[in-house]
Amino acid sequence: DAGVIQSPRHEVTEMGQEVTLRCKPISGHDYLFWYRQTMMRGLELLIYFNNNVPIDDSGMPEDRFSAKMPNASFSTLKIQPSEPRDSAVYFCASSRGGGDNTQYFGPGTRLTVL
Amino acid sequence: AQSVTQPDIHITVSEGASLELRCNYSYGATPYLFWYVQSPGQGLQLLLKYFSGDTLVQGIKGFEAEFKRSQSSFNLRKPSVHWSDAAEYFCAVGGRTNAGQSTFGDGTTLTVKP
Repeated sequence: DAGVIQSPRHEVTEMGQEVTLRCKPISGHDYLFWYRQTMMRGLELLIYFNNNVPIDDSGMPEDRFSAKMPNASFSTLKIQPSEPRDSAVYFCASSRGGGDNTQYFGPGTRLTVL
Repeated sequence: AQSVTQPDIHITVSEGASLELRCNYSYGATPYLFWYVQSPGQGLQLLLKYFSGDTLVQGIKGFEAEFKRSQSSFNLRKPSVHWSDAAEYFCAVGGRTNAGQSTFGDGTTLTVKP
């Protein structure tokens, strides 16, 4: 298996622009997680899905952030409009569930908002 | 609610020396426990996990961890550290449910001196 795939790996944008981050989880995994990592705040869970349904989005910082999972093999995290404080590394992870909480992380997307 | 505490933000050891990274957790039942490693510019990679059985768990790269229920701890150890072990290490706790979710500690950064 190719593991969790994220794109793009790097994104540089200007304040006010829309940013879309993409994730393909490992096939057969029922759970998908979006995290944000910064030096100041560490690793933060933003939202997670179970069988394509959002379960907990309490970590989403504000309404500018939205996430979707239209099918089992694809998820997006969108920021609109983006702000400089959104600059971070965004990770997607997936897990099998069914009693196995092991999470497999993608390589991350490094977002820079100018 | 579940939580994880990694008391040491930063640890420095000499190459060849032994290593112990501390992890304490809070969980209302028997936990699933994990250690992940993050090298610079990379995503998190699973080092080892404890679900049940033998409380001493062996992982990749020569790491091991011991689950001590009485101390609510899951410390990570390595007898002889290599320069390539320099990274950030995260402890995580999850539950024996289908939630698939884990709670991560704040991480410990390991520096290895030549």
